Amino acid sequence: DAGITQSPRHKVTETGTPVTLRCHQTENHRYMYWYRQDPGHGLRLIHYSYGVKDTDKGEVSDGYSVSRSKTEDFLLTLESATSSQTSVYFCAISSGGAWTEAFFGQGTRLTVV
Amino acid sequence: TQLLEQSPQFLSIQEGENLTVYCNSSSVFSSLQWYRQEPGEGPVLLVTVVTGGEVKKLKRLTFQFGDARKDSSLHITAAQPGDTGLYLCAGHPPGQGAQKLVFGQGTRLTINP
Repeated sequence: DAGITQSPRHKVTETGTPVTLRCHQTENHRYMYWYRQDPGHGLRLIHYSYGVKDTDKGEVSDGYSVSRSKTEDFLLTLESATSSQTSVYFCAISSGGAWTEAFFGQGTRLTVV
Repeated sequence: TQLLEQSPQFLSIQEGENLTVYCNSSSVFSSLQWYRQEPGEGPVLLVTVVTGGEVKKLKRLTFQFGDARKDSSLHITAAQPGDTGLYLCAGHPPGQGAQKLVFGQGTRLTINP
């Protein structure tokens, strides 16, 4: 299995509080992704990174920010959590190339109450 | 509107039947991937198709990439309960950054014994 770990695995937080999710990899892959998964929507890309300090927005980036200060860590921050951000969040890594495999973490279930 | 549209979104059939699920786009993709996701887990890559008209077989699963590289299909022969899961197609959108990886909304497949 690819070395990719998400933390925490579960979190309940209150509306308006900041939340940070962590993705850690031991594969030294260049590309890292954050997705959210909701019923009927598959996986929607939030942000992605193509190198240290190099990030770009995905389809649903509003209300989210990311940082990548080291190759192995990609942080997703909800600046002020809202109930619409209740979801399962997946991190993925890839070594690069249009047909290379993306490896996924096991997901973080976030509930905003 | 998602760049990759999958159909059907839900499919429930009996063991032993055949089925086909589809992934369509109005854009040309250099390649498309199919992933399978089981409950509580992240998606896992099944196949990548890279050439228009390409057909790949993985045991009872047959994947096809359309000649125009705008669509793909997954055909399962003699479905088994172990095939139950969420099937997702994915690709790198043309002209939006080589490593931006987007997914369709998925087909949730249930095979009944």
